Amino acid sequence: TQLLEQSPQFLSIQEGENLTVYCNSSSVFSSLQWYRQEPGEGPVLLVTVVTGGEVKKLKRLTFQFGDARKDSSLHITAAQPGDTGLYLCAGALDSNSGYALNFGKGTSLLVTP
Amino acid sequence: DTGVSQDPRHKITKRGQNVTFRCDPISEHNRLYWYRQTLGQGPEFLTYFQNEAQLEKSRLLSDRFSAERPKGSFSTLEIQRTEQGDSAMYLCASSLETGLGYTFGSGTRLTVV
Repeated sequence: TQLLEQSPQFLSIQEGENLTVYCNSSSVFSSLQWYRQEPGEGPVLLVTVVTGGEVKKLKRLTFQFGDARKDSSLHITAAQPGDTGLYLCAGALDSNSGYALNFGKGTSLLVTP
Repeated sequence: DTGVSQDPRHKITKRGQNVTFRCDPISEHNRLYWYRQTLGQGPEFLTYFQNEAQLEKSRLLSDRFSAERPKGSFSTLEIQRTEQGDSAMYLCASSLETGLGYTFGSGTRLTVV
């Protein structure tokens, strides 16, 4: 069962454009994490959000955790070709589940010059 | 510390053979997780350890899958009598007990022929 629905699944944009990736669920998460994954490599953690309504910024990337801790978004401003990759959201339910992560299917982003 | 290490990076095996993968977590992390990722999907949780105790194993895909962490340090994941459907990327991650600080290894790519 996929707890997290991520959209869009694929995104192809021109350099300089803005984009937003969404991650939605009916479950409440104790924390939500965003990862970026390159082909043949493991996911690399970008950010962890834990408080409802929290907003975190990482250079041109802005992450938001929904007030109810059920959804999140990733916004990239002025995308660059180096942003190309697979973006994954993952939610941890609670300590009872050992904080095992439930992943979305990912958003494959292609930024062309 | 160089992060989470996984060995081997790639494994090609014949159907019916047994395979074993190794994961060395970040030394300060007492939690260790195994995930499986198939093409076009996000990682899927399999099992996790807190120190040497395996606290969740109901998500292992079948009784052909088993994992150990004998001294609370490195871990091994074994797949017996491999099937073509076992072909995937097997990822290991470690974290602090709070669930934060999640770090993934580069994964082991298994191909069953």
